Amino acid sequence: QVQLVQSGAEVKKPGASVKVSCKASGYTFTSYGISWVRQAPGQGLEWMGWISAYNGNTNYAQKLQGRVTMTTDTSTSTAYMELRSLRSDDTAVYYCARAVTYGDYAHFDYWGQGTLVTVSS
Amino acid sequence: QTVVTQEPSFSVSPGGTVTLTCGLSSGSVSTSYYPSWYQQTPGQAPRTLIYSTNTRSSGVPDRFSGSILGNKAALTITGAQADDESDYYCVLYMGSGIWGFGGGTKLTVL
Repeated sequence: QVQLVQSGAEVKKPGASVKVSCKASGYTFTSYGISWVRQAPGQGLEWMGWISAYNGNTNYAQKLQGRVTMTTDTSTSTAYMELRSLRSDDTAVYYCARAVTYGDYAHFDYWGQGTLVTVSS
Repeated sequence: QTVVTQEPSFSVSPGGTVTLTCGLSSGSVSTSYYPSWYQQTPGQAPRTLIYSTNTRSSGVPDRFSGSILGNKAALTITGAQADDESDYYCVLYMGSGIWGFGGGTKLTVL
């Protein structure tokens, strides 16, 4: 069965960086993309970006350009999201989701369990 | 920048029918945006309900249906149940690996 298992909670100071992992299993990793979505406390879901696990192509949300990098390691079927220059408003639960983008499909079908990142001095 | 719009909140009586909508601040939603819908309860990861406008994800009850109504995507719940009380998010595909999320609709069943 398809599973996305994310790394554990992190506490970071303002200005630091965080790298969250998302290990995929149960499917051919390079046949799908991975998107990252975050949710600040009490707020809605926010799309952060997407990476193709096939060729590493990326697209990032405009507001995060320059601070976020998404990568994959196909040897371990793991996706990573690194966010730099952290601010207090980056405090959120970060989710990875498998992105289906072929034929008549463009959606997220499986989700990780979420990783809480707390930014606090 | 085009914004995906949803009703902030909605309420429905148990057994009733409710339609949540998903629009664009500029332009119309069509099937070309591959509208998808996600359900989220507090403390849980989102759950995929509907994709490609009207295809139910595996295991989703048939009381959930998706469509295009006028210039918006729509999620209809027919025969609402207490455990349908959740936040619902619409997502539109903008192309080239870019998606837009709506702000979510908080559905109350009472």
